Amino acid sequence: QVQLVESGGGVVQPGRSLRLSCAASGFTFSSYGMHWVRQAPGEGLEWVAVTSYDGSNKYYADSVKGRFTISRDISKNTLYLQMNSLRTEDTAVYYCAKGGIDGATAKVRGMDYFDYWGQGTLVTVSS
Amino acid sequence: DIQMTQSPSTLSASVGDRVTITCRASQSISRWLAWYQQRPGKAPKFLIYDASSLESGVPSRFSGSGSGTEFTLTISSLQPDDFATYYCQQYSTYSWTFGQGTKVEIK
Repeated sequence: QVQLVESGGGVVQPGRSLRLSCAASGFTFSSYGMHWVRQAPGEGLEWVAVTSYDGSNKYYADSVKGRFTISRDISKNTLYLQMNSLRTEDTAVYYCAKGGIDGATAKVRGMDYFDYWGQGTLVTVSS
Repeated sequence: DIQMTQSPSTLSASVGDRVTITCRASQSISRWLAWYQQRPGKAPKFLIYDASSLESGVPSRFSGSGSGTEFTLTISSLQPDDFATYYCQQYSTYSWTFGQGTKVEIK
């Protein structure tokens, strides 16, 4: 069965960095796009970033562009989110999510939905 | 950016009720819409894609409809497990945005 397990969250001061990981299993990791989605306390869902199945295309929400970097290591079946210059408004539970459309099709069409989600990891940015 | 607006924000209902949630897009998204269910403290669960296609394993009491800018999620007979928050999400070209959510609570 598909499993996504996030790690790396914690408390960090504004301006510092943090790297989140998402270990994937139960599916062919190299065949699907992967996303990060976040949820601030008591708020709704916000898409953060996507990497295509082959890592060649990456897109970001305007709120994190230039500060966050998404990447994937196919040899380790792991997705990453490098978060730099963190702000208090980045405080949220961060979920990784698997794309539901096969990777090649999703890359060409530029669209995807999220069929499996991890349990989330909490990032708190506070002085 | 495409904005998604759900209504109502909160819905009070009883077990057995028929429930409908509406999601409107700020521009046409064809049928590129998904629905998710989120229980408190849990990750979202995928329910519907392409506006009306039910994900495998999702109970048939859930259904979706619509195209263009107006969409609905219907629960035909509300069950205790269904009290949760529901989100719509559009997935047009390299753009992903969620509605603000609709909380379905016990009347």
